[in-house]
Amino acid sequence: GAVVSQHPSRVICKSGTSVKIECRSLDFQATTMFWYRQFPKKSLMLMATSNEGSKATYEQGVEKDKFLINHASLTLSTLTVTSAHPEDSSFYICSASDLGNAYEQYFGPGTRLTVT
Amino acid sequence: QQPVQSPQAVILREGEDAVINCSSSKALYSVHWYRQKHGEAPVFLMILLKGGEQKGHDKISASFNEKKQQSSLYLTASQLSYSGTYFCGTEIAYYKLSFGAGTTVTVRA
Repeated sequence: GAVVSQHPSRVICKSGTSVKIECRSLDFQATTMFWYRQFPKKSLMLMATSNEGSKATYEQGVEKDKFLINHASLTLSTLTVTSAHPEDSSFYICSASDLGNAYEQYFGPGTRLTVT
Repeated sequence: QQPVQSPQAVILREGEDAVINCSSSKALYSVHWYRQKHGEAPVFLMILLKGGEQKGHDKISASFNEKKQQSSLYLTASQLSYSGTYFCGTEIAYYKLSFGAGTTVTVRA
C-alpha cells in the first residue's frame, strides 16, 4: 500500500515553455500533498503544501506564479513550472499523506526536469 | 530551521553498527526518518512522536529526546541493503517537515 506515482519521470524542455508534473496517490486518498525540490547530493527543500480543494501554501522564496500547484482531487496534484529557465532544472519530488489517518508522507519517484 | 545531521557520511562493513544523529534548534512535534537510494525517491522508515519514544524497523531503530530536540537512528548489524542516504525530517509546524542534509551510508561486504 501507500504508493505514489509521478509523471513524467524525466522531461527536457526549452527555455520559456511550461511543464506540468503530475503526482498521484494510487491506493489511498491524499488529503495533503507536498512538493519538494532536490539539488544533486542535497536535501529535500519543501516548496509548497497543497490540500485538496484549496490553494497551495508556498514556502518563503518560492514564486507561486512560477510554480503553479493544483490539487483538484484526493488522488491528484499537479505542479506546473511556467516559463521555465535553466536554473529551474532540478529533481522535483512530491509526497502524499492521508493526515486524517496517519502521519507518514509517502514519496513519489520524482521527476527530473532539464531546461535547455 | 533545517535540522543538523551528523556524520555526513559513514562507511561500514557488513555486520557493523552505526549511529546517525539529528538535532534541531526548534521545538519538535515529531521526527521522521527516510532512506533514499541514488536516483530513487525517499522511502519512509519510521516516525517518532513526542514522548521520548523509541521505535524499531527490523535492525534499524531510533530514539527521540524531545527535551534535547534530538533524534538518533541506530543501524545494527548492517546489511548491504542499508546503503543509501538517510534523511531526518523534523516536524516544526503542523505536518510540515524540514529535512536535514542527509547522511550517506555505504555498507561494504
